[in-house]
Amino acid sequence: KNEVEQSPQNLTAQEGEFITINCSYSVGISALHWLQQHPGGGIVSLFMLSSGKKKHGRLIATINIQEKHSSLHITASHPRDSAVYICAVRPRDDKIIFGKGTRLHILP
Amino acid sequence: NAGVTQTPKFQVLKTGQSMTLQCAQDMNHNSMYWYRQDPGMGLRLIYYSASEGTTDKGEVPNGYNVSRLNKREFSLRLESAAPSQTSVYFCASSLSGPNEQFFGPGTRLTVL
Repeated sequence: KNEVEQSPQNLTAQEGEFITINCSYSVGISALHWLQQHPGGGIVSLFMLSSGKKKHGRLIATINIQEKHSSLHITASHPRDSAVYICAVRPRDDKIIFGKGTRLHILP
Repeated sequence: NAGVTQTPKFQVLKTGQSMTLQCAQDMNHNSMYWYRQDPGMGLRLIYYSASEGTTDKGEVPNGYNVSRLNKREFSLRLESAAPSQTSVYFCASSLSGPNEQFFGPGTRLTVL
């Protein structure tokens, strides 16, 4: 069983829709990361959180430590949001375990 | 600031050839990482360096060696390339431990 599971694996939505991507993990962690990988391949860190909720523009990330679950939400989605979104968890050492990613495609 | 830079961007090798992937960061970060990304799999840690002068194995270290040349630079060496090492390689850095990681643009390596 993977230590980090993301759902869905693929998601296609219309522009303007509210998007939710889920991440469940099975290990104790000190932090959880959400990353974005664009079609060109570059990886950008969106959020790092260890409790509660963070917001940046149209993106919101939440985490429930007790349930070992995090969600990434995108409000008013736009075609430029099309990318692979990766959840990664940091157990209590210096390493990170990555999920396989959710491929999001927003149609105009 | 350039952030994290990697060279080369693309490379094709024949089985048995050797090469070194270079990574440098200008953010004065202590920790540096090498990952590989394969289709259908998440990023996997090859080696990391928590600070200058230290290196540790990650999840998939076999067939690779690393050198933390100084605080800025962390290189990954393939001594005898194999087709199974065909992948996209990413270097990353962070201030230290539980901090945000910054990624380089990646190196696409094909081993024939």
